[in-house]
Amino acid sequence: AQSVTQPDIHITVSEGASLELRCNYSYGATPYLFWYVQSPGQGLQLLLKYFSGDTLVQGIKGFEAEFKRSQSSFNLRKPSVHWSDAAEYFCAVGAESGGGADGLTFGKGTHLIIQP
Amino acid sequence: NAGVTQTPKFQVLKTGQSMTLQCAQDMNHEYMSWYRQDPGMGLRLIHYSVGAGITDQGEVPNGYNVSRSTTEDFPLRLLSAAPSQTSVYFCASRPTSEAGELFFGEGSRLTVL
Repeated sequence: AQSVTQPDIHITVSEGASLELRCNYSYGATPYLFWYVQSPGQGLQLLLKYFSGDTLVQGIKGFEAEFKRSQSSFNLRKPSVHWSDAAEYFCAVGAESGGGADGLTFGKGTHLIIQP
Repeated sequence: NAGVTQTPKFQVLKTGQSMTLQCAQDMNHEYMSWYRQDPGMGLRLIHYSVGAGITDQGEVPNGYNVSRSTTEDFPLRLLSAAPSQTSVYFCASRPTSEAGELFFGEGSRLTVL
């Protein structure tokens, strides 16, 4: 069964500092990996996704993530955070669709706090 | 440009009452799903559907029913609400051809007393 681990429940970063959120996954084949962001009281918005190809993927809002197969990781990074980045971040792993009806398996989330 | 629309946004029930959470999408997506979000638990899949007339169970289906009579709608029914069903519920959809990426509604917060 697939699973996702986000080791950090809370992370506090100063505005303007760099950010890295960790994500480790367990999956039997090549995974499809995602990062979603959830602002308070809102649904989830896709930041970026990895299916294949270049292991460094760029997303919206200046975020990027790197897929490392040897470490089973898909960490999210941002060079300089803004106060508006304060939110809950979810890593997710999924199966290839096209007959595959699996939903995504989500990590438990990392709550990002931005200090002025 | 509605996307995925959920109603109601907030609901309070008493134990044993029934209710339906509505979900509609206007993107002609074949795949629709319901998740529940609980503190420290992330999102867990309740039920999903790959097209009209087809539904299946996810990770936590007990206490919930679904049906899919049209492509657009995917209601979630609680037949006899329990306090353990207090949660935030999210409906999500995707085109079956698009691997994995889900489009989420804004959520429905349910409290069962």
